[in-house]
Amino acid sequence: DAEITQSPRHKITETGRQVTLACHQTWNHNNMFWYRQDLGHGLRLIHYSYGVHDTNKGEVSDGYSVSRSNTEDLPLTLESAASSQTSVYFCASSESLAGGTGELFFGEGSRLTVL
Amino acid sequence: AQTVTQSQPEMSVQEAETVTLSCTYDTSESDYYLFWYKQPPSRQMILVIRQEAYKQQNATENRFSVNFQKAAKSFSLKISDSQLGDAAMYFCAYQNNDMRFGAGTRLTVKP
Repeated sequence: DAEITQSPRHKITETGRQVTLACHQTWNHNNMFWYRQDLGHGLRLIHYSYGVHDTNKGEVSDGYSVSRSNTEDLPLTLESAASSQTSVYFCASSESLAGGTGELFFGEGSRLTVL
Repeated sequence: AQTVTQSQPEMSVQEAETVTLSCTYDTSESDYYLFWYKQPPSRQMILVIRQEAYKQQNATENRFSVNFQKAAKSFSLKISDSQLGDAAMYFCAYQNNDMRFGAGTRLTVKP
């Protein structure tokens, strides 16, 4: 069965360190997204990609970067982790809206704690 | 920018009763999708129901139905015959290219 996996599921790091969260999907979807979930804010979009070598900033992109070198993977990098980036991070993928359902398929989330 | 508002941070319903969760959104677009996702304690995001904006007929999935009012930019979710397993966070989402979510409503189901 196709799926979307995130790793690590739990990560504790220190302020100032670089952190990369991995996301791998086997749906062969063009669209991939990174969200963060915080109490009272729901899910907020960090970055997204509509295909290989395409990346776009979401509503809370400061301090984060992504790169898309193939269809399956969209790693999220925190260049210098800050305590404000403590959160649960979700990766998701979808078909293109044109001819697709638009439904997002989510990973299980990665809980990041920055001390 | 599109925004999604869920005005009810928490809701409670008696088992077997009906509950309605509210959602409003702001957009200048005419074509878009609307979704309700459920997030149980497992943290997994699960699609509950989807509505295409060009369709006037309200979507229905078993015990779940929506009241889509395009002119009012309102998209409420009705859960009929509530079950204990319906207890979760519910997120309303708007999609036109990327997908934006509301802050969520925590639903408690009382036995």
